[in-house]
Amino acid sequence: GAVVSQHPSRVICKSGTSVKIECRSLDFQATTMFWYRQFPKKSLMLMATSNEGSKATYEQGVEKDKFLINHASLTLSTLTVTSAHPEDSSFYICSASRGGPLRGYTFGSGTRLTVV
Amino acid sequence: DAKTTQPPSMDCAEGRAANLPCNHSTISGNEYVYWYRQIHSQGPQYIIHGLKNNETNEMASLIITEDRKSSTLILPHATLRDTAVYYCIVRVASGTASKLTFGTGTRLQVTL
Repeated sequence: GAVVSQHPSRVICKSGTSVKIECRSLDFQATTMFWYRQFPKKSLMLMATSNEGSKATYEQGVEKDKFLINHASLTLSTLTVTSAHPEDSSFYICSASRGGPLRGYTFGSGTRLTVV
Repeated sequence: DAKTTQPPSMDCAEGRAANLPCNHSTISGNEYVYWYRQIHSQGPQYIIHGLKNNETNEMASLIITEDRKSSTLILPHATLRDTAVYYCIVRVASGTASKLTFGTGTRLQVTL
């Protein structure tokens, strides 16, 4: 149980275009989802917290107009990288919580974004 | 959330126990210790968590010192597939989901 599906696993896009990444909880309802980015050989950095039915909470330094997050249902959150540039190339990972204080977090398999 | 300190890398021979330490000297009484690992180019995988008692599951054992200022993750019989970056995270178990803050982790290399 507790599977999180992230799609696509890899995407290459041209500079200036937008890319949407989907994160789905397959067998549970995720009241909260998190979006991370990870540069090569670096740790995961939290970008934003996505709550179903409300606006996402962004970490300091993350541009909310550039990284659009939508959490329209209890099983789906999307991250859209708008007007992507080469410096946005990174590994993006989502995670979902089933809620409750002691439940672990389940992570998606990640999306490798390359902007050319 | 309390900060954690881990060695940047460790080696372990296949079949031997891997003991990964973590210091969390500023941990509060209501904070849990979580361990995750990340195999190259994949999302992190939950391993185990605990508050103050030692814990064991099918993947690993977690030993937390009595003062809770440090802990050790034990992989009893490491295999090549256990090669990964292991993250020790301390966070409050609140009534709603709270974020996980990742440190730099320990890169475990299991060798033949």
